[in-house]
Amino acid sequence: GAVVSQHPSRVICKSGTSVKIECRSLDFQATTMFWYRQFPKQSLMLMATSNEGSKATYEQGVEKDKFLINHASLTLSTLTVTSAHPEDSSFYICSAPGGWGQGMDGELFFGEGSRLTVL
Amino acid sequence: AQKITQTQPGMFVQEKEAVTLDCTYDTSDPSYGLFWYKQPSSGEMIFLIYQGSYDQQNATEGRYSLNFQKARKSANLVISASQLGDSAMYFCAMREGPARDDKIIFGKGTRLHILP
Repeated sequence: GAVVSQHPSRVICKSGTSVKIECRSLDFQATTMFWYRQFPKQSLMLMATSNEGSKATYEQGVEKDKFLINHASLTLSTLTVTSAHPEDSSFYICSAPGGWGQGMDGELFFGEGSRLTVL
Repeated sequence: AQKITQTQPGMFVQEKEAVTLDCTYDTSDPSYGLFWYKQPSSGEMIFLIYQGSYDQQNATEGRYSLNFQKARKSANLVISASQLGDSAMYFCAMREGPARDDKIIFGKGTRLHILP
């Protein structure tokens, strides 16, 4: 199957700082990537759809200015948590649908996830 | 309203028994896809099985099968001959729309515990 790599896997930062998380599709091109947030023992909540060459589409209730998403190329999407606060602490996971011939129809390939802790 | 409903927050099953994890969905789009993912404690998301809305037969992948009841809008996951390594969180998910890059939303999940 296709490979999606996410970095960093863990990050601890001070309140008020910004943190950037990278998501790369290693062996395929992803015009679309999805960013999810997962609280402990809860489901994956879709935050936004990242679109290469255009603005991200945010889900209702997700602050665009807080969670900046940039899809710089066909293999890279970044999520920047700006002015992070303790309530932003969470597990962030990116994913991309496989290309034709990769996996099942529209199967999502997930990154390893990034655990953010804001002190 | 929830689009994906998983009514079993947790389940305990004896090893080697079969287990059914429930999932119902809600959509008015005639074209959609249904997925099951497994998430062990490590946090990685592992794809298990996929069912397209137009697929005539129930999907099967090894010990996993998807019991697709289209009229009832249900897509239950059946795991045969459960193993200790099956203990994990299981998520049902739906892609609403025909395109590969249509967004996918997840249910709340079921935590499965396999007992030795």
